[in-house]
Amino acid sequence: EAGVTQFPSHSVIEKGQTVTLRCDPISGHDNLYWYRRVMGKEIKFLLHFVKESKQDESGMPNNRFLAERTGGTYSTLKVQPAELEDSGVYFCASSQTRDRQETQYFGPGTRLLVL
Amino acid sequence: AQRVTQPEKLLSVFKGAPVELKCNYSYSGSPELFWYVQYSRQRLQLLLRHISRESIKGFTADLNKGETSFHLKKPFAQEEDSAMYYCALGSGGTSYGKLTFGQGTILTVHP
Repeated sequence: EAGVTQFPSHSVIEKGQTVTLRCDPISGHDNLYWYRRVMGKEIKFLLHFVKESKQDESGMPNNRFLAERTGGTYSTLKVQPAELEDSGVYFCASSQTRDRQETQYFGPGTRLLVL
Repeated sequence: AQRVTQPEKLLSVFKGAPVELKCNYSYSGSPELFWYVQYSRQRLQLLLRHISRESIKGFTADLNKGETSFHLKKPFAQEEDSAMYYCALGSGGTSYGKLTFGQGTILTVHP
């Protein structure tokens, strides 16, 4: 079974540009999560999709971040315009059920560097 | 607000020595706690969860509600245990999927 995949693995952009990150969850997983780890800090929750709906977007830092999950399959996270403080590793995770004890399966992450 | 604290950024032990990675949490409800691990060049993966009360790769963790702790222990560390370890707290209610992570502890097991 394929795990969670993320694209690209790395992205280097200049301040003010736009970047779109993609996450493909494990097939059949309704729950999809975005997290990020900014240098030197902990991994922080950004948002949670259940199918195509946003269940919780309390962690989205500001309106420069836009997440979508059209059709309830893959998700994209767009940063527009990117700022220096957006640099970090963006993780995607998925899980199958609503059970809060359930394992979240993580992707390898996208390393974003904003210059 | 919920919070997870891992006081040690770095922890070094020798092979065969006991190891304990500390985790304290702050949460007003009934906590769901996890340990996730990231080995070198691998993705973050679940190591164990408190509800299962299981031992994975020789690691155990006991939830102590009185001390609000969920320390990870292993009696005899192995070199392959070297990794980054994250303690995480699961939310309830409408935020049921949200994990709050600690800052992580880098464990190095020396031969």
